[in-house]
Amino acid sequence: GEDVEQSLFLSVREGDSSVINCTYTDSSSTYLYWYKQEPGAGLQLLTYIFSNMDMKQDQRLTVLLNKKDKHLSLRIADTQTGDSAIYFCAETSRAAGNKLTFGGGTRVLVKP
Amino acid sequence: EPEVTQTPSHQVTQMGQEVILRCVPISNHLYFYWYRQILGQKVEFLVSFYNNEISEKSEIFDDQFSVERPDGSNFTLKIRSTKLEDSAMYFCASSELGTSGGDEQFFGPGTRLTVL
Repeated sequence: GEDVEQSLFLSVREGDSSVINCTYTDSSSTYLYWYKQEPGAGLQLLTYIFSNMDMKQDQRLTVLLNKKDKHLSLRIADTQTGDSAIYFCAETSRAAGNKLTFGGGTRVLVKP
Repeated sequence: EPEVTQTPSHQVTQMGQEVILRCVPISNHLYFYWYRQILGQKVEFLVSFYNNEISEKSEIFDDQFSVERPDGSNFTLKIRSTKLEDSAMYFCASSELGTSGGDEQFFGPGTRLTVL
């Protein structure tokens, strides 16, 4: 079945850029998502990218997709303390219907 | 801003008891979902629901689980006879259209279920 993997933890200094990486196995993935989870809150969609795109930029967020290597990354520019959270990569495909397959989440800690 | 709500935020139950987790999806959404996250593990899909019936379900969603939309606003997940391994955070989500079209799933804050 589909699998999505992420590194567990990232520590970054305030003002620096953060890069969170994700790999997936489903070659038929159509949409790839980044969700953010703050303590006690649900999963908040940050951004998503369609599989025929290489890059998507949205303010401080840049998503890069390497479809050949099945590698997705999320870059957060000028990281702030409010960016400290768990970030989940997720994917779906036409075959999967409406099911999202999630990675294990990357805990990002922003140090002042 | 409209949001998905879930009650209760934390439910403690004895093994073998029935539990009902409740969700109020966003009002104009048509697709509803349940996911769960066992502590330290990934968020896993359980079931999706559209047009008053289950559209997809995972292997986890066995006969012990059921979903219902009892009225125009609530969406519930029932676990008939809870087991210790059902202890997890359960997330409800809803979307206006299906996710296969790229539509966003909006998630609730979750219900933490603890089975003793």
